[in-house]
Amino acid sequence: DAKTTQPNSMESNEEEPVHLPCNHSTISGTDYIHWYRQLPSQGPEYVIHGLTSNVNNRMASLAIAEDRKSSTLILHRATLRDAAVYYCILRDSGNDYKLSFGAGTTVTVRA
Amino acid sequence: DTGVSQDPRHKITKRGQNVTFRCDPISEHNRLYWYRQTLGQGPEFLTYFQNEAQLEKSRLLSDRFSAERPKGSFSTLEIQRTEQGDSAMYLCASSSTNRVPYNEQFFGPGTRLTVL
Repeated sequence: DAKTTQPNSMESNEEEPVHLPCNHSTISGTDYIHWYRQLPSQGPEYVIHGLTSNVNNRMASLAIAEDRKSSTLILHRATLRDAAVYYCILRDSGNDYKLSFGAGTTVTVRA
Repeated sequence: DTGVSQDPRHKITKRGQNVTFRCDPISEHNRLYWYRQTLGQGPEFLTYFQNEAQLEKSRLLSDRFSAERPKGSFSTLEIQRTEQGDSAMYLCASSSTNRVPYNEQFFGPGTRLTVL
């Protein structure tokens, strides 16, 4: 599986944007970039995914570098409910039956 | 609630005992996955089913572990002769292949196993 690298932790103030980086220098052409997050005492939940173009949804935005070797998850206005571990995951479109989680980035939001 | 449910939420057992966990996926989802998560780590894939067929098993799934999905609906994960190293959160997820090429996985709340 292609690997991703994320910072261990990040802190943010409430209502400020959070930019979560992810490096994936060995990404292949068929790998989609996915983000999941895990709130305390819960199972992971899907946040967003993309292939080449930037993506927006109601939860977040995903900015993908032109060479696809890195990406950034953007939470536009962090709330206390966004405190979680965020995982950046690569999934091959032809072999997409499992998610390979790393350690993720623990996001702390200060009130 | 139409999400993924798991039972029990917590299980404490003594070393050497057998335990069984149950997962009820979202009803129209044909794929079901089991993951294991230890403290401070991300979830690790154990196995998955498409309908009732078990299609992949991780090397993490030793002979003491067995999973079933007899009618392509709910699934059970059994651990025989539990060891202290089995203590972890066991997560179940489900998805639908009707959303190919991407099928978002929906996770349950997990079963936390403590082996004394």
